[in-house]
Amino acid sequence: GAVVSQHPSRVICKSGTSVKIECRSLDFQATTMFWYRQFPKKSLMLMATSNEGSKATYEQGVEKDKFLINHASLTLSTLTVTSAHPEDSSFYICSAWDLGGYTFGSGTRLTVV
Amino acid sequence: QQQVKQSPQSLIVQKGGISIINCAYENTAFDYFPWYQQFPGKGPALLIAIRPDVSEKKEGRFTISFNKSAKQFSLHIMDSQPGDSATYFCAASISSATNKLIFGTGTLLAVQP
Repeated sequence: GAVVSQHPSRVICKSGTSVKIECRSLDFQATTMFWYRQFPKKSLMLMATSNEGSKATYEQGVEKDKFLINHASLTLSTLTVTSAHPEDSSFYICSAWDLGGYTFGSGTRLTVV
Repeated sequence: QQQVKQSPQSLIVQKGGISIINCAYENTAFDYFPWYQQFPGKGPALLIAIRPDVSEKKEGRFTISFNKSAKQFSLHIMDSQPGDSATYFCAASISSATNKLIFGTGTLLAVQP
């Protein structure tokens, strides 16, 4: 089946720095990828839809300047959390659609100290 | 109209019992209804999915029942095992590479030995 690889799985960064999270579709091409944020014991909250070769579409309330999304190829989308603050600490998950449905990455636990 | 309502919020079942989780939706344009299983610190993994042209789909111990007229669907886990203890999310979408998945609020299942 389809595989979505997400890296890193865990990252700790200092407040004010930026962190990049990568999401790769390993065995299929994904023109669209999705980025979610999940708080403890909560559901997945869609942050943005990443479109290959064009600007991402952000959900209402998500700061596009803080959460930069780049989808430069059919197999790679990146999420950069800029000027991270402790309130950005969360579990970030990417997803992509292929013929078998939506496949999710294993997630990235971001801790901002 | 984009919401997917899920219940119960949490569920405790004895080993060997049946776990039942229910979801309801409003948007009749939805045509793809997956269930995901998520373990702590991991991304969601697709368990089973159904489309509205069938009323039931079974894969191993997992069964989806779908009631199109009532706009409801449910997950049944037969012979529940302690290893099934996880958070389960229902979801819905208009299946397409560019359409987002709408998640339910999640059900925390605990299977007691």
